[in-house]
Amino acid sequence: AQKITQTQPGMFVQEKEAVTLDCTYDTSDPSYGLFWYKQPSSGEMIFLIYQGSYDQQNATEGRYSLNFQKARKSANLVISASQLGDSAMYFCAMRDGQGAQKLVFGQGTRLTINP
Amino acid sequence: EAGVAQSPRYKIIEKRQSVAFWCNPISGHATLYWYQQILGQGPKLLIQFQNNGVVDDSQLPKDRFSAERLKGVDSTLKIQPAKLEDSAVYLCASSFRKAPGELFFGEGSRLTVL
Repeated sequence: AQKITQTQPGMFVQEKEAVTLDCTYDTSDPSYGLFWYKQPSSGEMIFLIYQGSYDQQNATEGRYSLNFQKARKSANLVISASQLGDSAMYFCAMRDGQGAQKLVFGQGTRLTINP
Repeated sequence: EAGVAQSPRYKIIEKRQSVAFWCNPISGHATLYWYQQILGQGPKLLIQFQNNGVVDDSQLPKDRFSAERLKGVDSTLKIQPAKLEDSAVYLCASSFRKAPGELFFGEGSRLTVL
């Protein structure tokens, strides 16, 4: 069974600093995908970034990048130049198996950006 | 493009009562999901539809929860009778089958069972 672990319940960061949110995963399937979602207080889950298990390069989307270390089974999210609007819950999720579209989510990390 | 629509946004009921949530996915998205998110936890999949067929309902408490997706478009999730532990946000999501799996979520329906 697949498993996603986020070990940081909460993170506090000063505005404009970079922040790394940790995510480790466990799967026996060689083909899988890793996702990060942001959930602000409004409740909607917002897709941030995706990394496929066969992708050669780490994914980047604007200020978001994914530090993918396959051997360690980790997929940490890096947010550069943090902004007050980045304060939210962040969830790591995994899809495994080719064609499968079910996502399994971690417990989440609450990020607070201080001015 | 319109996003995933859900209603109601908030619902308060007493235990043993029933409740229904509605979801309209993004147009053209064949796959629809219902997730349950208990406070302080990550979302947990309840049921996944592909068009109007059920793909995965292994974590749906079938003695009290039911869901349908008639005509392969919008969907309804029903809880009857509700228990205190059903208090949660019920998130609907949809995806376009050929995408790498990105899910588009609605704002959720927050249920409080007293």
